[in-house]
Amino acid sequence: AQTVTQSQPEMSVQEAETVTLSCTYDTSESDYYLFWYKQPPSRQMILVIRQEAYKQQNATENRFSVNFQKAAKSFSLKISDSQLGDAAMYFCAYRSGSSGTYKYIFGTGTRLKVLA
Amino acid sequence: KAGVTQTPRYLIKTRGQQVTLSCSPISGHRSVSWYQQTPGQGLQFLFEYFSETQRNKGNFPGRFSGRQFSNSRSEMNVSTLELGDSALYLCASSSGGRGAPEQYFGPGTRLTVT
Repeated sequence: AQTVTQSQPEMSVQEAETVTLSCTYDTSESDYYLFWYKQPPSRQMILVIRQEAYKQQNATENRFSVNFQKAAKSFSLKISDSQLGDAAMYFCAYRSGSSGTYKYIFGTGTRLKVLA
Repeated sequence: KAGVTQTPRYLIKTRGQQVTLSCSPISGHRSVSWYQQTPGQGLQFLFEYFSETQRNKGNFPGRFSGRQFSNSRSEMNVSTLELGDSALYLCASSSGGRGAPEQYFGPGTRLTVT
């Protein structure tokens, strides 16, 4: 069975600095997707970035980028030039691309605090 | 496109009662998933419906049930409520197919059981 692990329950970063959130996963599949979701306090969960396993190039969305290491089964999120609005709970998620059931598996989340 | 909507947004119930939560997915999405979110347990997967059929199920007791209608709207029902059922219930929709795998979440329903 697939698993997703976020080993950092909480992280802090100074405004304008860079922070990296860690995520590791375990799967025997070769076709899958990985995501980072952001859930601000008392607000809706939104998709930050997605990565297809078959793509070697790391995904980037403005200040958000990932470091996808397929062999190591690692999928970290880098936030550059951190802003106060980046403070949120961040969830790493996995979805099979070919199993047919397409079940999503979420990590336990990392709470990011941004210090002014 | 309108986003995922959930009703009601807040609910207070008493132990032993039952409750029904509703979720309307993004237009064109055929998959609806339900999650329970609590401070202690994080995000727990309840079940997923795709084209009116339950496709995936989490490890929750039978008191938790759901259904999906032909227009893809979904309802979740919890019977014989317990204090531990107090949580934020999130609904997420997606196309449900191999491609376009992103899930889009609704704002959630905050259930308080007293």
